[in-house]
Amino acid sequence: DSGVTQTPKHLITATGQRVTLRCSPRSGDLSVYWYQQSLDQGLQFLIQYYNGEERAKGNILERFSAQQFPDLHSELNLSSLELGDSALYFCASSLGSSSYNEQFFGPGTRLTVL
Amino acid sequence: TQLLEQSPQFLSIQEGENLTVYCNSSSVFSSLQWYRQEPGEGPVLLVTVVTGGEVKKLKRLTFQFGDARKDSSLHITAAQPGDTGLYLCAGASDNNNDMRFGAGTRLTVKP
Repeated sequence: DSGVTQTPKHLITATGQRVTLRCSPRSGDLSVYWYQQSLDQGLQFLIQYYNGEERAKGNILERFSAQQFPDLHSELNLSSLELGDSALYFCASSLGSSSYNEQFFGPGTRLTVL
Repeated sequence: TQLLEQSPQFLSIQEGENLTVYCNSSSVFSSLQWYRQEPGEGPVLLVTVVTGGEVKKLKRLTFQFGDARKDSSLHITAAQPGDTGLYLCAGASDNNNDMRFGAGTRLTVKP
């Protein structure tokens, strides 16, 4: 158990819909990262927040957005969903903001778009 | 586009054999990490290397960072079925803070 929690574990929805994925970091960690893992693309970095502020941005689509709240939990919002958005979405947390810091991954949310 | 190329993509061996997997890039990384991921779970960090030429050992696993900090290898001695999983390398550069992952090597160790 990494100490990072993600909900829901599974999510099935239809094209065009909007969903919200939630992540609670390990106690004491200030950074939250979001990743997308699909069979053909591997693990893709989406976005990082540190202490409530956006820190780094990766391959995140404009239809996707995220935020980190004062209690440090984070939400990833996916809108106008397409079939190709079906994937595992992982959240990770770390103590600091640097990429040197060890990242602890949650169990993931499996999103299926029908 | 994957900046980190991992090879082989798949590897199936018998218990007790040795193996090496590789992680290569044309980019220089300030740090490189190796993770193992099991089905249905998130990746778990095995090691972080930051110095060119660095070698780190974790029980039967030996990690090496290339002198030019562009490549890395993971060697497993006397593999066991518990080593089965997806091995991912991930690198961070000085220019940005995001971690780039390779596509992984899927290892199966048969008893």
